[in-house]
Amino acid sequence: DVKVTQSSRYLVKRTGEKVFLECVQDMDHENMFWYRQDPGLGLRLIYFSYDVKMKEKGDIPEGYSVSREKKERFSLILESASTNQTSMYLCASSPIDRPNTEAFFGQGTRLTVV
Amino acid sequence: AQSVTQLGSHVSVSEGALVLLRCNYSSSVPPYLFWYVQYPNQGLQLLLKYTSAATLVKGINGFEAEFKKSETSFHLTKPSAHMSDAAEYFCAVSDDNQGGKLIFGQGTELSVKP
Repeated sequence: DVKVTQSSRYLVKRTGEKVFLECVQDMDHENMFWYRQDPGLGLRLIYFSYDVKMKEKGDIPEGYSVSREKKERFSLILESASTNQTSMYLCASSPIDRPNTEAFFGQGTRLTVV
Repeated sequence: AQSVTQLGSHVSVSEGALVLLRCNYSSSVPPYLFWYVQYPNQGLQLLLKYTSAATLVKGINGFEAEFKKSETSFHLTKPSAHMSDAAEYFCAVSDDNQGGKLIFGQGTELSVKP
């Protein structure tokens, strides 16, 4: 089974802190993604990466950055956390294959910024 | 730009009743469509996907979806709801040719009454 593991299920951070959300996948997938989930808005793409050291902005990249130094690991960074970044964050991976290839998701990290 | 609309943010059915969750898409090219399910405090799990091989797609847990190009729809159905089906359901469309980069609908929360 494909496994996508997010390092924390729940996090509480203070406004202004630098926050790291870590994601590791064990299926040698080329593609990795970070989504943010908010009620009534579904999932929105923050950043994605199709290769090591490569990154592309998604639909809502403001206030975030990412790092992909190794193929299996994709980190989301909140440079200075703000209360409007309180949300559920979901990491996903997929192989470079066909357009109908699905994404495999981690369990999610529920981040609260106080 | 592609988009996905799920009609109804909350749907409530009785146990044993038909489940119908609606999804409409807009796409200028043949779409690649997915339904995911999210149980409380979990990540997303693939229910089924449209691969263009057949318009009626069967998925896990007794769910199926029918692709109707003329109606630009991909509604999810299950003949008889179980209590365990209570969850949030997301319809998504593939956003590029590499796989895994998805545009999601707003989500529909399904409640099942005993």
